[in-house]
Amino acid sequence: DVKVTQSSRYLVKRTGEKVFLECVQDMDHENMFWYRQDPGLGLRLIYFSYDVKMKEKGDIPEGYSVSREKKERFSLILESASTNQTSMYLCASSPESIGVREQYFGPGTRLTVT
Amino acid sequence: DAKTTQPPSMDCAEGRAANLPCNHSTISGNEYVYWYRQIHSQGPQYIIHGLKNNETNEMASLIITEDRKSSTLILPHATLRDTAVYYCIVRPMNTGNQFYFGTGTSLTVIP
Repeated sequence: DVKVTQSSRYLVKRTGEKVFLECVQDMDHENMFWYRQDPGLGLRLIYFSYDVKMKEKGDIPEGYSVSREKKERFSLILESASTNQTSMYLCASSPESIGVREQYFGPGTRLTVT
Repeated sequence: DAKTTQPPSMDCAEGRAANLPCNHSTISGNEYVYWYRQIHSQGPQYIIHGLKNNETNEMASLIITEDRKSSTLILPHATLRDTAVYYCIVRPMNTGNQFYFGTGTSLTVIP
């Protein structure tokens, strides 16, 4: 079974703090993704990566950065957390850079910024 | 990407078939229809996908109309554990792996 794990299920941080959200997958997938999910807005893509050290902006990259130093790990960084970044953050991975493939999601991290 | 339209919520009696509709009237020829679901407090889970033929797997069946402008996900014998938000996604074949999730249909299975 594909396993995508996220470092925390729940996280509370203060405004202005630097926040790291970690995601690890164990299936040697090339592609990894970070989404945020908010009520009424569905899932929105923040960043994705199709290879080590490669990254692409999604629909809402502002206020975020990412790091992919190893194939299995994709980190989302909030340089200076703000209250409007309170959200559920979901990581996903998938094999191959093209073609019809489903994504496998982690359990999510619910981040609260106070 | 083609947009999809789904009802915001539906109820289904336990043991009955749940039929979840999705409209994708602007779908183009190279776009697949995917279905995912998200159980409360978990990440989305892949269910099934198809291009133009009907598909069936151990979880569900996918019926795509001949003109491909709409589809229906069928859970043949709904259980309480099928209570979730169901997302219908239309995605081109060769544009990387981005999936555009809308707000989906919240299905409640009633005992």
